[in-house]
Amino acid sequence: QQQVKQSPQSLIVQKGGISIINCAYENTAFDYFPWYQQFPGKGPALLIAIRPDVSEKKEGRFTISFNKSAKQFSLHIMDSQPGDSATYFCAASTAQNYGGSQGNLIFGKGTKLSVKP
Amino acid sequence: KAGVTQTPRYLIKTRGQQVTLSCSPISGHRSVSWYQQTPGQGLQFLFEYFSETQRNKGNFPGRFSGRQFSNSRSEMNVSTLELGDSALYLCASSLARRGLARADTQYFGPGTRLTVL
Repeated sequence: QQQVKQSPQSLIVQKGGISIINCAYENTAFDYFPWYQQFPGKGPALLIAIRPDVSEKKEGRFTISFNKSAKQFSLHIMDSQPGDSATYFCAASTAQNYGGSQGNLIFGKGTKLSVKP
Repeated sequence: KAGVTQTPRYLIKTRGQQVTLSCSPISGHRSVSWYQQTPGQGLQFLFEYFSETQRNKGNFPGRFSGRQFSNSRSEMNVSTLELGDSALYLCASSLARRGLARADTQYFGPGTRLTVL
């Protein structure tokens, strides 16, 4: 019930195309869903995040779509660029803030995105 | 503002030894979390510290421990190292604002690459 399932494991997209990565979760207590981008040799960097009170959030070329009833959320990268080639992780947490606790992020296994020029 | 810093960046140890990793959070951040990243298991939560107290703990053996100092800097220790402890150890900090009903964003450091021979 604590798992977050991410697909696909790897993705190859042509420059200018749309990259779509999907995640599914079971724990209905999750209420914070961030996406992280990780380049080789670097730590994950927050890309965009959504809370379940909205169905979509867009920031530049990156959009999260959230389907609460299906317990699924996805990342869309529009106009994909070679510089977007990285590993993307979805995550979920209960976003609690009780006594200072930030909760722990449950991560998907990651999607390695390659954008071909 | 400087990001999360972790030292050392690379470490080679042999089985049975112990190791201490250090994390300096972003200035003003009060919560520090630690994660282990391996190719097989992905990103897994180790523990979280806030106000020098462990607030959350993941499913790792007691050989993994940590602490947080009054300046929010944190260390994690792994005793009796095993080959399977080879991983990238990531530290993440968050603001942990008082009165905020939901958790703040976690910002990751570059990690410490631990190799156990």
